[in-house]
Amino acid sequence: NAGVTQTPKFRVLKTGQSMTLLCAQDMNHEYMYWYRQDPGMGLRLIHYSVGEGTTAKGEVPDGYNVSRLKKQNFLLGLESAAPSQTSVYFCASSSGKIQYFGAGTRLSVL
Amino acid sequence: SQQGEEDPQALSIQEGENATMNCSYKTSINNLQWYRQNSGRGLVHLILIRSNEREKHSGRLRVTLDTSKKSSSLLITASRAADTASYFCATDEGGRGGSEKLVFGKGTKLTVNP
Repeated sequence: NAGVTQTPKFRVLKTGQSMTLLCAQDMNHEYMYWYRQDPGMGLRLIHYSVGEGTTAKGEVPDGYNVSRLKKQNFLLGLESAAPSQTSVYFCASSSGKIQYFGAGTRLSVL
Repeated sequence: SQQGEEDPQALSIQEGENATMNCSYKTSINNLQWYRQNSGRGLVHLILIRSNEREKHSGRLRVTLDTSKKSSSLLITASRAADTASYFCATDEGGRGGSEKLVFGKGTKLTVNP
């Protein structure tokens, strides 16, 4: 049972480039979340989804887009990367109160 | 948005000692959770305490909740080097549900020295 899988694990982008982070869960969870973690800031919610075909903005959504075309996948897109988006990105899923996290994607934007 | 704030930011103890971390939050909640994050890894759920509970145990973990003070504490007894990690409290939206969103604090970094 893989749980929550994030790809890629590491990525370096140049300013202005675009990329998509993929999150896949095999627990049939309804809810999925994307967070970013910066030093001294804890986890901040970027976007979330309460079910297939739905998405909603979190605390820090600017510069990011998401899609949930299939229940098991939640994609996070950066259309035009900026150095301020250098961070570690975590995906999580849940069926209720407890969230299960992926191992993270470390992204550097130069 | 409401946010749990952990205290202290960092804690260093010797193996075998107890470690206590505190969390304060701002508004009413349905439940409060504690998560652990090992270096370079994702968060792992440790324990959930509901707003109508005052204390909960799980192995070497003891969590207390004081809703009148809007605070919680996590006690790890007889600490081990493997307990070295960052610990985060997380609160829900206190009834404004439908998404099961959590708000995480900034964490306490615990170092347990052998």
